[in-house]
Amino acid sequence: AQKITQTQPGMFVQEKEAVTLDCTYDTSDQSYGLFWYKQPSSGEMIFLIYQGSYDEQNATEGRYSLNFQKARKSANLVISASQLGDSAMYFCAMRESPYNQGGKLIFGQGTELSVKP
Amino acid sequence: DTEVTQTPKHLVMGMTNKKSLKCEQHMGHRAMYWYKQKAKKPPELMFVYSYEKLSINESVPSRFSPECPNSSLLNLHLHALQPEDSALYLCASSQDLSGTGRTEAFFGQGTRLTVV
Repeated sequence: AQKITQTQPGMFVQEKEAVTLDCTYDTSDQSYGLFWYKQPSSGEMIFLIYQGSYDEQNATEGRYSLNFQKARKSANLVISASQLGDSAMYFCAMRESPYNQGGKLIFGQGTELSVKP
Repeated sequence: DTEVTQTPKHLVMGMTNKKSLKCEQHMGHRAMYWYKQKAKKPPELMFVYSYEKLSINESVPSRFSPECPNSSLLNLHLHALQPEDSALYLCASSQDLSGTGRTEAFFGQGTRLTVV
């Protein structure tokens, strides 16, 4: 069964500094997608970045980049130049192929990031 | 337009009440989801609809009844809930389930449900 692990329940970062949020995953499937979501206190889950298992380059979206190490099964999120508005819960998620698990999107436990001024 | 709209935003209901949560998207997505989320926990998948047919039911109690009237709408009917069902209920949609390409799910703001 697929599994997502986020080992950092909470993290602090100084404003304008970079921060890395860890995510490891376990799957027997060769084809899968990895996603990061941000959830502010308002509750909405906001999609940040996507990495496909066959993508050779690390994904980037503005200040967000994904450090994808396939052999280690890790997909860490890097946020550069942190802003106060980045304070939120961050979830790593994975979707396997629809032929295995029906294409379900499964989430890790989350990391609560607090940005200090 | 990348919006998923959920109504109501807040709901308080008694254990004998019947209520419904509504979700709407106009992105042409053919997969829609219900998730349940407790405070400080990840969302837990409840149901998945693919092309308006129920494709996944994660062994959810029958007091939760999903319905997909058309490709844009998803309902969750609630009946005889328990206080432990109090949670944030999130609806999401994605293009489809046909692959693991960039089929990210877009989420609504959720309905905060309190069962008294």
